[in-house]
Formats: sequence, structure tokens, C-alpha cells
Amino acid sequence: GNSVTQMEGPVTLSEEAFLTINCTYTATGYPSLFWYVQYPGEGLQLLLKATKADDKGSNKGFEATYRKETTSFHLEKGSVQVSDSAVYFCALTNQAGTALIFGKGTTLSVSS
Amino acid sequence: EAQVTQNPRYLITVTGKKLTVTCSQNMNHEYMSWYRQDPGLGLRQIYYSMNVEVTDKGDVPEGYKVSRKEKRNFPLILESPSPNQTSLYFCASSSNPGYEQFFGPGTRLTVL
Repeated sequence: GNSVTQMEGPVTLSEEAFLTINCTYTATGYPSLFWYVQYPGEGLQLLLKATKADDKGSNKGFEATYRKETTSFHLEKGSVQVSDSAVYFCALTNQAGTALIFGKGTTLSVSS
Repeated sequence: EAQVTQNPRYLITVTGKKLTVTCSQNMNHEYMSWYRQDPGLGLRQIYYSMNVEVTDKGDVPEGYKVSRKEKRNFPLILESPSPNQTSLYFCASSSNPGYEQFFGPGTRLTVL
């Protein structure tokens, strides 16, 4: 079945540093890919998504490109802020299209 | 405001005492789902519903029940909770499971 692997955390950065969180997937067909963010004490919020190969999702300065050739969907941001501190989850739809399959999450801590 | 609500937000109970976690959405979504989040495991789907009166098992359904009598509500029932069901639970809804899913704020359950 479909699966996703994302880099282990925690990731600790200084404000204005460049961020990359790696995500690779295994899938049958062409699933949609997502990045969700979970701020402390809150539920998950969609950060960005991509529905087909070469699509670039972007939001709040974050970007990720759906790379079919490398089966990747890495999350990047050019200059992180303290307010970006959160847990980030890469996800894709399962083969049946009935659920999201999540990576284990990457905790990002940004210090000023 | 479009939202998914869950109640209670926090619950401490004892083994074997039946409990229900409610979930309600106001977006007229057909699809609803329950996930549990555990450290190091990410989120895993418990049950989902594609529409009223249509429910099906996710990846970890053992020990849980659900019902979908109305479009907006999707309660999660633990008939006889056990300590291994201590977890953070999220309800989600969507117009289609392959699209963005909207998550509730979570219910932190502790079973003693």
C-alpha cells in the first residue's frame, strides 16, 4: 500500500535560517500529497498540497514540489520565524482514496 | 465559521467504563474520519464514513465503534476502554477524502 517517510526530528534552527524537511513516498497511482502543520495544543491544519506531478504547493512562505521521478515532496522555507515552531506532517491519500496516510511528523523549533 | 468540533477536549477515565467522544462539522461534508495520534507513530485512521449510514474500518479499528446517523455528526464510542487506548484523537471531515481534510482540535484521552 501507499506509505510516506519523512525525516526524523527534532529540527532546531535560528530565526531566518533555511528550512528543508524531507518527505518521500511510495504509492500506486497518482495520490495527492499534503503537508499539514500542528501548532502546540491544536489540531492539524493544511499547510499546502499538490495533486499531480510537478505541481508546486505554496503557503505562508513554505513550498513543496510534487516530484514523481524521485517520489519526493520536500518542504522548504527560505527564512523561518519563531512562529513556525510546530510539528510538520507529510501525508498522501491511500490507495483506496479513503484516508490520509501520515508520516511520523517532524518537530521544528526556531529560536530568536 | 467553518469548523470541526470535538467534545470533550480532555478525558480521564478508568478501564471498562464506556465513553463517547462527539464530533460535529458544519461544512456539509460527506466524508468524516477518526484518527489517533501516538508518539513516534504519527496519525492512524480508526474508522471513516463516506456518507450517512456508511461506515468502514480504518487501520486500527479494534476496540472502537462509530455511527453516522446524521451528516454532521460522527461519534466515536469506546465500549470498554483499555489503557492502550490512551491517545490523542482527531476527527476530520472533507467533501472528498482525496481533498483537504479539516481537523478538529483533538481529544486527549487517558485510560487508567
